[in-house]
Amino acid sequence: QQQVKQSPQSLIVQKGGISIINCAYENTAFDYFPWYQQFPGKGPALLIAIRPDVSEKKEGRFTISFNKSAKQFSLHIMDSQPGDSATYFCAAIAGRRALTFGSGTRLQVQP
Amino acid sequence: DAGVTQSPTHLIKTRGQQVTLRCSPKSGHDTVSWYQQALGQGPQFIFQYYEEEERQRGNFPDRFSGHQFPNYSSELNVNALLLGDSALYLCASSFTQNLGVSNEQFFGPGTRLTVL
Repeated sequence: QQQVKQSPQSLIVQKGGISIINCAYENTAFDYFPWYQQFPGKGPALLIAIRPDVSEKKEGRFTISFNKSAKQFSLHIMDSQPGDSATYFCAAIAGRRALTFGSGTRLQVQP
Repeated sequence: DAGVTQSPTHLIKTRGQQVTLRCSPKSGHDTVSWYQQALGQGPQFIFQYYEEEERQRGNFPDRFSGHQFPNYSSELNVNALLLGDSALYLCASSFTQNLGVSNEQFFGPGTRLTVL
């Protein structure tokens, strides 16, 4: 049972555009929602994270929007750059349990 | 401040062999989690160690075992390797503080295991 559903599977955005990746979860016990960025051959790097008592969190060009009632959250990358081209994973965790990852979104930012 | 380190970087084994992967957590962290990431997929949780004990386990057979040492470093052992065990094995470290509070997990670069 996939507890975190991520879309789209792949995304192509022009340089300077906005990249939007969406995730939906089922387990209402989740209390922490991180996003990870992964380059080929590397481990995932923590990008930004949010807790369910906040509806939005912004760090530089990256923003998480969180809708607790809909059980959905999304990552917005403003002014997307070619260096942002990577695979992005949303994840969720409940208490001290393990991270549950989405299936990933391969983002390609074209110059 | 060193981040999470893993060794070796790459490893090639044949079916039926055994392998040991190693992880040193980020400074100040006391909890180590292991994940398996198949090509093109998200990481899947194997198990987590805290206070030298396995605290929780994902849906992996007992061919997968681990250990945590007093200095918080950890090992992942896989016995009787199968072709399907070929993957990137990731170690993530975190700090267990307040009960029930989720904390950030930081990943190492991973060990790429190829089983022939």
